[in-house]
Amino acid sequence: QQQVKQSPQSLIVQKGGISIINCAYENTAFDYFPWYQQFPGKGPALLIAIRPDVSEKKEGRFTISFNKSAKQFSLHIMDSQPGDSATYFCAARRGGATNKLIFGTGTLLAVQP
Amino acid sequence: DAGVTQSPTHLIKTRGQHVTLRCSPISGHKSVSWYQQVLGQGPQFIFQYYEKEERGRGNFPDRFSARQFPNYSSELNVNALLLGDSALYLCASSPDRPLSTDTQYFGPGTRLTVL
Repeated sequence: QQQVKQSPQSLIVQKGGISIINCAYENTAFDYFPWYQQFPGKGPALLIAIRPDVSEKKEGRFTISFNKSAKQFSLHIMDSQPGDSATYFCAARRGGATNKLIFGTGTLLAVQP
Repeated sequence: DAGVTQSPTHLIKTRGQHVTLRCSPISGHKSVSWYQQVLGQGPQFIFQYYEKEERGRGNFPDRFSARQFPNYSSELNVNALLLGDSALYLCASSPDRPLSTDTQYFGPGTRLTVL
């Protein structure tokens, strides 16, 4: 119940295309769902986050779609650019005494010019 | 403002040794968390500290310990190193109480290699 399942493991998209990464969870106690971007040799950087009372959140080219009933959420990267090539992690936080994040296994995105 | 800083950047140890990793949070942040990221996997939660007190512990053996200092910096200690401890150790800071969903800001990590 503590897992966050992420797919696909890797993704190749042409420049200008749409990148879509999906995550699923089981624990309904999760109350915060961030997406992180990580470049090689760097720590994860927050891209965008959503709470379960919202079905969609958009920030620039990045959109989170959230389906509470299906316990699924996804990241859409519009107009993908070569500079977006990185590993993307979804995560979930369980409400409670700690701000512990449970991460998915990551998606390696390659945007081809 | 400076982000989360971690030291050292890289570290090579042998099995059985111990290691201390250090983290300085963003100025004004009182909560520090530690994560272990094995190559090819997502980060795994190890500890969270807030106001010098442990507020959360992940599923790691007692060889892992941590503490937070009055200036909110933190140390992660690992004793009796095993080959499987080789990983990127990430520190994250957030502004406020653990109950909040404040954004966690990650440092660049310390790459630990155990030979």
